[in-house]
Amino acid sequence: SYELAQPPSVSVSPGQTASITCSGDELRGKYACWYQQKPGQSPVLVIYQGTKRPSGIPERFSGSISGNTATLTISGTQAMDEADYYCQAWDSTYVFGTGTKVTVL
Amino acid sequence: EVQLVESGGGLVQPGESLRLSCAASGFTVITNYMSWVRQAPGKGLEWVSIIYSDGSTSYADSLRGRVTISRDSSKNTLYLQMYSLRAEDTAVYYCARVREGFDFWGQGTLVTVSS
Repeated sequence: SYELAQPPSVSVSPGQTASITCSGDELRGKYACWYQQKPGQSPVLVIYQGTKRPSGIPERFSGSISGNTATLTISGTQAMDEADYYCQAWDSTYVFGTGTKVTVL
Repeated sequence: EVQLVESGGGLVQPGESLRLSCAASGFTVITNYMSWVRQAPGKGLEWVSIIYSDGSTSYADSLRGRVTISRDSSKNTLYLQMYSLRAEDTAVYYCARVREGFDFWGQGTLVTVSS
């Protein structure tokens, strides 16, 4: 079965840049998405098709994809960005990554 | 305004069945792809099932045969019928609309399987 691997945790200082990676075979062609989930809340789509941002998502969130790795970048990280982040792709079924906890120190 | 409201969760015993509902507003369920995703306590997201606009369905291998996804156009509602529930099915179950990604999610309904 298809798998997406993410680092368990990422720490970042306020105002700095956080990068979260997601690795999976041939990920470039699998419509990678990213979701933010804060404690006790439902997930929110922040990036789709690897690089596109839904309306209402701040510009500090950006996505890139190269080969087998998708990256979510949060520029000028704010305290409100502290959350769990999940990547997701489609490979005949829908698959979520293992999740990354972003801590803003 | 797009809204998804799940209901039907609760405490059930192992082996029992349960049907979850997801009432949609602000869009039409049958013209969209609709999905269920679950999250066990303290764990990550796990995709469960999807129903496409043409009515075809797909299920996660781990749940195939124990869940059935369906929809009711008159009620604009999505359902997940679950059978032979196990302790490991304990989770918050979310419904979500699928367009460019899972773009709208409900608040989730908690299913607890325990004797």
